Amino acid sequence: GQNIDQPTEMTATEGAIVQINCTYQTSGFNGLFWYQQHAGEAPTFLSYNVLDGLEEKGRFSSFLSRSKGYSYLLLKELQMKDSASYLCAVYNFNKFYFGSGTKLNVKP
Amino acid sequence: DTAVSQTPKYLVTQMGNDKSIKCEQNLGHDTMYWYKQDSKKFLKIMFSYNNKELIINETVPNRFSPKSPDKAHLNLHINSLELGDSAVYFCASSQAGGGQETQYFGPGTRLLVL
Repeated sequence: GQNIDQPTEMTATEGAIVQINCTYQTSGFNGLFWYQQHAGEAPTFLSYNVLDGLEEKGRFSSFLSRSKGYSYLLLKELQMKDSASYLCAVYNFNKFYFGSGTKLNVKP
Repeated sequence: DTAVSQTPKYLVTQMGNDKSIKCEQNLGHDTMYWYKQDSKKFLKIMFSYNNKELIINETVPNRFSPKSPDKAHLNLHINSLELGDSAVYFCASSQAGGGQETQYFGPGTRLLVL
């Protein structure tokens, strides 16, 4: 089966850095995506990794280690608007398998 | 301009009824999807169509029937609605091939079965 694990909830302070981890065990792998989902809204694309290493995109970075089945999303200079759920998804043979998401609470 | 749109946004109905949700994308994408997000926020794929052809059909009851009249539209019809069907249903689209299959999601349809 496909298994994608993320912490359920995290809390961090405005201006800080937070790392959200994702581990996966899937029968195949064609890429890993991170999505942001604000309450009551649709998921929106944040980042994509298919090769090992770090991809940086402004305040957001995503890291992948395929041998370890591990990824993380790094958010720097946290802002209140970053309070949302962050979904890790593995793309495999035309299918996306999503984790249950990590709810990030940013406090002043 | 809305990229992926869904109607209706809210749907409240009685158990046993039949209902449809419509989805349209104006991104020129080849692939469209239906997802179900339950109360625990798990986003689970139900169906995927590529150029009007069904390519993914997960373990979904036969009461759910997708229809793609053209590659810009993917509708979902649900027969004999059950309480457990209450969830948010998201439509999404992506451009097949090339490796970077970024999905764009519609705003979701919040279905409540009473």
